[in-house]
Amino acid sequence: QSALTQPASVSGSPGQSITISCTGTSSDVGGYNYVSWYQHHPGKAPKLMIYDVSKRPSGVSNRFSGSKSGNTASLTISGLQAEDEADYYCNSYTSRSTYVFGTGTEVTVL
Amino acid sequence: EVQLVESGGGLVQPGGSLRLSCAASGFTFNTYWMSWVRQAPGKGLEWVANINQDGSKKYYVDSVKGRFTISRDNAKNSLFLQMISLRAEDTAVYYCAREPHLVVAATEQGGGWFDPWGQGTLVTVSS
Repeated sequence: QSALTQPASVSGSPGQSITISCTGTSSDVGGYNYVSWYQHHPGKAPKLMIYDVSKRPSGVSNRFSGSKSGNTASLTISGLQAEDEADYYCNSYTSRSTYVFGTGTEVTVL
Repeated sequence: EVQLVESGGGLVQPGGSLRLSCAASGFTFNTYWMSWVRQAPGKGLEWVANINQDGSKKYYVDSVKGRFTISRDNAKNSLFLQMISLRAEDTAVYYCAREPHLVVAATEQGGGWFDPWGQGTLVTVSS
């Protein structure tokens, strides 16, 4: 069960848009629409940002959006704000009825 | 308010055992899957195990199979993780999380997501 592949870091200026990729295989990301994304500030509980590839929970800003193409899922943050600076993780259900997280991406607001 | 509170973490020697607990409140506990997720120091998140509503289905990450056991007590709104034969690489903050699954045409879908999460409890395996 190898972790899904994410870029180690992504940065952008306030107001810009950034996209974080999450690459897996046909046994996880490519095989199911059960991809979710989490925002994690160190020392705090992770927070759900996107579920089922592109659904946004109530209370999450519409600046966050998700998509998927083949074995790669993506999280886009538009209108980047200082409060968006955090670690982001993707997650996928797998063919073994388990889950696998991505390697994590540190987002920096310049 | 939906709340999850973990407890039971601490320092344990390699080969030792520990039992983590997660107290749930603010929602109907026995209608949700529940999961444990961990984060080792300086590392990313790792899904550890989950359990369905009545405890009849349990799944584990390969690295803990045979050593960790997930269970629940629906009467007490509690989730547990019994850990034996602990190793240094099990050192991590352990989070419990509610795992909702979408229901379509009265059929629960296979995969879900994690929301909310507890604040975590630290497990340190060291001599």
